[in-house]
Amino acid sequence: DTAVSQTPKYLVTQMGNDKSIKCEQNLGHDTMYWYKQDSKKFLKIMFSYNNKELIINETVPNRFSPKSPDKAHLNLHINSLELGDSAVYFCASRPNDRGSTEAFFGQGTRLTVV
Amino acid sequence: AQSVTQLGSHVSVSEGALVLLRCNYSSSVPPYLFWYVQYPNQGLQLLLKYTSAATLVKGINGFEAEFKKSETSFHLTKPSAHMSDAAEYFCAVSELRSGNTPLVFGKGTRLSVIA
Repeated sequence: DTAVSQTPKYLVTQMGNDKSIKCEQNLGHDTMYWYKQDSKKFLKIMFSYNNKELIINETVPNRFSPKSPDKAHLNLHINSLELGDSAVYFCASRPNDRGSTEAFFGQGTRLTVV
Repeated sequence: AQSVTQLGSHVSVSEGALVLLRCNYSSSVPPYLFWYVQYPNQGLQLLLKYTSAATLVKGINGFEAEFKKSETSFHLTKPSAHMSDAAEYFCAVSELRSGNTPLVFGKGTRLSVIA
């Protein structure tokens, strides 16, 4: 009965491939995010969606394309994978995009590009 | 723009000793502040949050934090460390306004507990 679930948990792929990471939340939240955690554990916001609409798109390469088919899902598709894309990607959800509420995180997807 | 600075990327304490993890924030408007914990190969779990009510906030697992506006700080403490507290701890800030306020995280502090 996981609140925010991501699949897959681990992903190993070759440079140049295209891959997707899926995220689903069953909390009824309006806002969802993708964060990237690098090898030094630094967490950086990538995208923010509110009610299926893209709100924030930080300086992320165009190879990364988020898609939100409905309020409960936010998937991340990555084209032409590069070695530097290796990281842990976290999906998170929040009741709304106002400041006072905490975000709930998935377990993360460890992406390794070889 | 909002930001968070966590002093000390690695803190080591003995079991039973006081835990103090430091967090200073920068925000142009009143902030909301959060502490999260990350155990190895897991996601982030909320420890506690400050949302402009009481300045001393109690969280899970015996942790607490005090919001000090004059010092722009939100340090995390626990009176007595347990081995199970060893993890990565993140301080995060969000702003008091409507819309477009994702959590902005500090760089994290790894807590080691020595038996």
